[in-house]
Amino acid sequence: KNQVEQSPQSLIILEGKNCTLQCNYTVSPFSNLRWYKQDTGRGPVSLTIMTFSENTKSNGRYTATLDADTKQSSLHITASQLSDSASYICVVSAYGTSYGKLTFGQGTILTVHP
Amino acid sequence: EAQVTQNPRYLITVTGKKLTVTCSQNMNHEYMSWYRQDPGLGLRQIYYSMNVEVTDKGDVPEGYKVSRKEKRNFPLILESPSPNQTSLYFCASSFADRPYEQYFGPGTRLTVT
Repeated sequence: KNQVEQSPQSLIILEGKNCTLQCNYTVSPFSNLRWYKQDTGRGPVSLTIMTFSENTKSNGRYTATLDADTKQSSLHITASQLSDSASYICVVSAYGTSYGKLTFGQGTILTVHP
Repeated sequence: EAQVTQNPRYLITVTGKKLTVTCSQNMNHEYMSWYRQDPGLGLRQIYYSMNVEVTDKGDVPEGYKVSRKEKRNFPLILESPSPNQTSLYFCASSFADRPYEQYFGPGTRLTVT
């Protein structure tokens, strides 16, 4: 069964500090992995997407990495801001007959304190 | 403005009373999908549609119906809602060759008493 596990479940950091969120997946055959940011009560917004051949991708203060061999991804947030407080969701999609079916992680709730 | 709209945004109903949550997108996307989000469980896919008249089950389709008669609309139908369908629902859309690049609607908070 395809699964996506994220850790930690929640994280509290001080403004200006860095943090790293983890995503492990068992989706096969792997197509791509995407990180979303979801503010409370709102729909998720895409941060970045990683395909099989990509190791690192940055979007401003967000840097995602992918290790397709170990089936792990991380999202690193640099110099955190109060507005980074949100849930971060890892989503993995597969090739084949389930192309339209996505597997979501449970998310990591990040709280940034002043 | 490119967007996915959902209506209603909030709904309180009673067990067994049929309801429909509408979803519409103006980006000419082929792919549309419905999700529910519950505390501790994250987002779970209910149904998705790769194009008009093409729909398929996600992970939690029981108790829901969908239809895709037009490209822009993808309504979610609860024929006989039950309290365990109380949840936050999201509709999303994308181009068919990039279902991972989804644009999400604002969400519909449904309470079934």
